[in-house]
Amino acid sequence: DIAITQSPSSVAVSVGETVTLSCKSSQSLLYSENNKDYLGWYQQKPGQTPKPLIYWATNRHTGVPDRFTGSGSGTDFTLIISSVQAEDLADYYCEQYFVYPYTFGAGTKLELK
Amino acid sequence: EVQLVESGGGLVQPGASLKLSCVASGFTFSDYWMSWVRQTPGKTMEWIGDIKYDGSYTNYAPSLKNRFTISRDNAKSTLYLQMSNVRSEDTATYYCTILRDWYFDFWGPGTMVTVSS
Repeated sequence: DIAITQSPSSVAVSVGETVTLSCKSSQSLLYSENNKDYLGWYQQKPGQTPKPLIYWATNRHTGVPDRFTGSGSGTDFTLIISSVQAEDLADYYCEQYFVYPYTFGAGTKLELK
Repeated sequence: EVQLVESGGGLVQPGASLKLSCVASGFTFSDYWMSWVRQTPGKTMEWIGDIKYDGSYTNYAPSLKNRFTISRDNAKSTLYLQMSNVRSEDTATYYCTILRDWYFDFWGPGTMVTVSS
């Protein structure tokens, strides 16, 4: 199975700051035939269902604010949240859908200072 | 409006069987692969498996394939998860999801399963 490691496990930021979340895969998620990385990011606010944020490592899901940016390729990926808002308080998970079984990271908890 | 509504969760004894349902609306159910994902009380996310749009093909997490079965009824726009010989470690919230381009494009609100005697 592909192992997904997220860091940090939690991070506290002030409103307006920029935060970078890391996601590392134990093997490359890049499919050379289409040059796509099979990596997604999901946001889960307290008491809510997970919602897709980013797919193909860099594409924002419909309706996702442009302060959320996915980057990276191969085995190293990041989610950058610029100008963090109070509503961004949530757990963030990355997930690989390159090979079965699909696997998730343990998540990063974003807290507000 | 796309909706997925899971049901069938609850308190179940170890060793029992349970069938979860997910009723879909607001999109053409028969056009999409569907998947089940669960989240433990400790918030660990685990992919359970998926099923092709016509129900002809399924994939499962290796650790679950001997006990869990995914099926669908496109006439009823309903996805199912049959769980057998449940264990305490199956205690989780079970989510039904739409697969689009192989990622989890939309999630239902989930149904909670608690395995305890």
